[in-house]
Amino acid sequence: GDSVTQMEGPVTLSEEAFLTINCTYTATGYPSLFWYVQYPGEGLQLLLKATKADDKGSNKGFEATYRKETTSFHLEKGSVQVSDSAVYFCALLDTGRRALTFGSGTRLQVQP
Amino acid sequence: DTAVSQTPKYLVTQMGNDKSIKCEQNLGHDTMYWYKQDSKKFLKIMFSYNNKELIINETVPNRFSPKSPDKAHLNLHINSLELGDSAVYFCASSHHRDRGNTEAFFGQGTRLTVV
Repeated sequence: GDSVTQMEGPVTLSEEAFLTINCTYTATGYPSLFWYVQYPGEGLQLLLKATKADDKGSNKGFEATYRKETTSFHLEKGSVQVSDSAVYFCALLDTGRRALTFGSGTRLQVQP
Repeated sequence: DTAVSQTPKYLVTQMGNDKSIKCEQNLGHDTMYWYKQDSKKFLKIMFSYNNKELIINETVPNRFSPKSPDKAHLNLHINSLELGDSAVYFCASSHHRDRGNTEAFFGQGTRLTVV
């Protein structure tokens, strides 16, 4: 079945540091890939997405590239801010499947 | 102008009680979901409805019964609540297309605490 594996957290960074959160997936079809973010006490918000191989999703300075050869969708940001502190979820939606499969989430803590 | 709204936001109740969580979306989507987030933040699909028809019913106790009166609403009723039901429940919606659903939009969550 489908699965998503994310790096364990928490990830603690200083402000303006470079961020990478690793995500790899297993899917039977040709999935779309997503990053969602959950700020404390809130619901999930879509951060970015990519629907086919080599697509790059980007939003708010975050980027992720759909790599079919390595089945990966790593999240990156060049310079994190305190306001980026949240839990980040990698997810996939496989062809024909009608619900997201989520990774376990990675908590990011950015210190001033 | 909340896109996906669910009520209540917090729910504290005793074991054995029956409770409901309501969800409404105003995005015109045809597919709605319930996800459960456990204490370790892990998210798992429980149910999915498309045009009021049950599409996904994961391994969930039959004490949980979703009801979709129309495309814009998907409520979750839970009978005989147990301590292990304590979690955050998220409603979500998306639009189904032949080549795959659009991204899902989530509500704010309902934190259920069973005491």
